[in-house]
Amino acid sequence: AQSVAQPEDQVNVAEGNPLTVKCTYSVSGNPYLFWYVQYPNRGLQFLLKYITGDNLVKGSYGFEAEFNKSQTSFHLKKPSALVSDSALYFCAVRDKGGASKIIFGSGTRLSIRP
Amino acid sequence: NAGVTQTPKFQVLKTGQSMTLQCAQDMNHNSMYWYRQDPGMGLRLIYYSASEGTTDKGEVPNGYNVSRLNKREFSLRLESAAPSQTSVYFCASSEAPAYEQYFGPGTRLTVT
Repeated sequence: AQSVAQPEDQVNVAEGNPLTVKCTYSVSGNPYLFWYVQYPNRGLQFLLKYITGDNLVKGSYGFEAEFNKSQTSFHLKKPSALVSDSALYFCAVRDKGGASKIIFGSGTRLSIRP
Repeated sequence: NAGVTQTPKFQVLKTGQSMTLQCAQDMNHNSMYWYRQDPGMGLRLIYYSASEGTTDKGEVPNGYNVSRLNKREFSLRLESAAPSQTSVYFCASSEAPAYEQYFGPGTRLTVT
């Protein structure tokens, strides 16, 4: 069965510093991997995805994520955090060879202090 | 282009009452999904429809039914609401299962 874990409930970073939000996954085959962001009282918004190819993928708002097959990880990164990046972030995974459903992690709350 | 729309935005039910949550998308997407979001639990998939005419159970289907009415619309029905179904419900769609999902604004449901 596929699963995804976000080991940190909350990440606190000072504005201007780099940030990392961690995600690890488990699938039986090759994965499709996604990151989404949720602002208060809103639905989720797509940030970026890994399907195949280059292990470093770039997405919206200056975010990027690195796919590491050996560590089964897909960590979200940004070189310089903004206060406006404060939100809830979700990692999601789908097994390429499996059923259509996508499984979401429990979410990580990112807080950027001025 | 409205994207994914959901109605209603808020709803309060008494235990045992029934209701249907409506979802529509105008992006000509094939796949549609229903999730519930509870504090500390992230999003849990209730049902999904990979394409028009098909529906499948997700992680937490008990107490719910769905109908893929046509390519645009995917409704979620609670036949006999229970307090455990108090949650925020999100509908989403994607071009295909492998593609990114687009989410509606959510329905906040309270069952007393």
